Amino acid sequence: KNQVEQSPQSLIILEGKNCTLQCNYTVSPFSNLRWYKQDTGRGPVSLTIMTFSENTKSNGRYTATLDADTKQSSLHITASQLSDSASYICVVSFFGNEKLTFGTGTRLTIIP
Amino acid sequence: KAGVTQTPRYLIKTRGQQVTLSCSPISGHRSVSWYQQTPGQGLQFLFEYFSETQRNKGNFPGRFSGRQFSNSRSEMNVSTLELGDSALYLCASSPMRADEAFFGQGTRLTVV
Repeated sequence: KNQVEQSPQSLIILEGKNCTLQCNYTVSPFSNLRWYKQDTGRGPVSLTIMTFSENTKSNGRYTATLDADTKQSSLHITASQLSDSASYICVVSFFGNEKLTFGTGTRLTIIP
Repeated sequence: KAGVTQTPRYLIKTRGQQVTLSCSPISGHRSVSWYQQTPGQGLQFLFEYFSETQRNKGNFPGRFSGRQFSNSRSEMNVSTLELGDSALYLCASSPMRADEAFFGQGTRLTVV
């Protein structure tokens, strides 16, 4: 069964600090891995999308990395801001299966 | 360019009733997918439509159905509502299948 697991479940950090969120997935190969940011009560917004051949992708203060050998991805947030408080969801699209498989998300809270 | 529009934003229904949710994709997008999001289960795939045909279906009972019109707009119907159907229902559109998905703001359904 295709699974996507994220850690930690929740994280609280001080404004201005950096943090890294983890995503582990089973089953390969896969089509692409995506990170989404979801504010409470809103729809997810895409941050990065990487194919299996890409190792890193940046979007401003967000940098995603991918290790296809260990089936791990991470999302690094630098110089965190209060607006970064949200849930971050890792999503994997598998070959032959356009259905997206979602991780359970990491709830990030930035405190001043 | 307008984003994905979901209506209504909020809905309260009674057990046993039925409900229809609407999704207007981004102009030019032909693929529309629906997802259910609950605090306990996270985001779960319901179904995907492309060119008015259901292409993929998640593990939900037959009470959940959908359709897509020739203009790519999609509707989702839930019959015989149960308390457990209370959730945020998200619609996402893509230019083609398996492309990056753009999410709407969702419809918050509460069943009482």
